[in-house]
Amino acid sequence: EVQLVESGGGLVKPGGSLRLSCAASGFTFNIAWMSWVRQAPGKGLEWVGRINSKTDGGTTDYAAPMKGRFTISRDDSENTLYLQMTSLKTEDTAVYYCATDRLGIFGYFDLWGRGTLVTVSS
Amino acid sequence: DIQMTQSPSSVSASVGDRVTITCRASQGISSWLAWYQQKPGKAPKLLIYAASSLQSGVPSRFSGSGSGTDFTLTISSLQPEDFATYYCQQANSFTLTFGQGTKVEIK
Repeated sequence: EVQLVESGGGLVKPGGSLRLSCAASGFTFNIAWMSWVRQAPGKGLEWVGRINSKTDGGTTDYAAPMKGRFTISRDDSENTLYLQMTSLKTEDTAVYYCATDRLGIFGYFDLWGRGTLVTVSS
Repeated sequence: DIQMTQSPSSVSASVGDRVTITCRASQGISSWLAWYQQKPGKAPKLLIYAASSLQSGVPSRFSGSGSGTDFTLTISSLQPEDFATYYCQQANSFTLTFGQGTKVEIK
């Protein structure tokens, strides 16, 4: 089955860290460009960042509010995407989705996970 | 970063109505635009990519148009399952941005 399954969400204190995982199956993960997108409660969608495939350099890009605090990585042997979040703020509270663009054109996300909720609160 | 502005922020409509949502980019993005539909508690669903290409499996009552800075999503005849929130998203740069969303509600 073609799917993305996020895990690792939970409650964390401000200033804390958390690592999210996204397990991929049913498609060729090692050539996929993968992104994280988040959605704060009752709010709109916000792109977090992206990692290219290793064959395309494995480079990353991040939205401005996440730069320096969030790190995206991947383990192609495990078909898994990661999001390491540090120095967390209350405004980072959101559902975090992983997504990819199987159309082969970056930015058109046709496959999404169900999301994992991160709550930053003291 | 490229800013995306949708209007209206919400619209009330009846089954069978024609609904139009607009999206404006803060700078030209050619046709690098997608539209998504999101229902409560669910992940977004890709409807339209490259401004006007219908994603596989999406009903033909959905259509997209525009290029440059101004784009439109049209639902030709609103169905009960179409009540949801719709987002535009630019893919012109390697840092992506979404519009703030348009909620389509039952009149």
